[in-house]
Amino acid sequence: EDQVTQSPEALRLQEGESSSLNCSYTVSGLRGLFWYRQDPGKGPEFLFTLYSAGEEKEKERLKATLTKKESFLHITAPKPEDSATYLCAVQSGYGGATNKLIFGTGTLLAVQP
Amino acid sequence: NAGVTQTPKFRVLKTGQSMTLLCAQDMNHEYMYWYRQDPGMGLRLIHYSVGEGTTAKGEVPDGYNVSRLKKQNFLLGLESAAPSQTSVYFCASSPAQGRRNQPQHFGDGTRLSIL
Repeated sequence: EDQVTQSPEALRLQEGESSSLNCSYTVSGLRGLFWYRQDPGKGPEFLFTLYSAGEEKEKERLKATLTKKESFLHITAPKPEDSATYLCAVQSGYGGATNKLIFGTGTLLAVQP
Repeated sequence: NAGVTQTPKFRVLKTGQSMTLLCAQDMNHEYMYWYRQDPGMGLRLIHYSVGEGTTAKGEVPDGYNVSRLKKQNFLLGLESAAPSQTSVYFCASSPAQGRRNQPQHFGDGTRLSIL
């Protein structure tokens, strides 16, 4: 069964204190791994897509990496505005013509000034 | 620059009442999805559509119905609301599946409480 596990559930950082969020997955043929950011009262906002092991994507203070079993979202010198819930989702190769995603439960990140 | 728009944003229902949630997208996407988000559960797929006039069941379809009469709209119906359907409902859309799939784009949700 396809499964996504994110850790930690919550993370509190001081401004400027770099860290990483983890997304472990079990999927039958990975077609894509997606990172989203979700602010309170809002819908998930797309950040990155990773398709194959070894791939990396960067955007401002965020960098996403992918191995065959997990993905990391590295946050370098975070700022308070980076505070949000970060969601990871995977698409299985056996999902058919649907683009269906399996989501993890997210990591709630709080960055204190 | 609207993207995915959901209406209403908030709603309170009594057990047994019915209602329809509306999702509209202006990106000409083929695929549309309805999810629910509950604390500690993550986003779970209710129903989805791969094109106008087509719908299919997701992970948690019981108690819900959907319709996609127009490409840009995807409706989610609750025929007889139950307290277990208290949740935040998100609609998403994406282009059709390709060799490298494009991400889904989400609306800002409908917060539904069933008393």
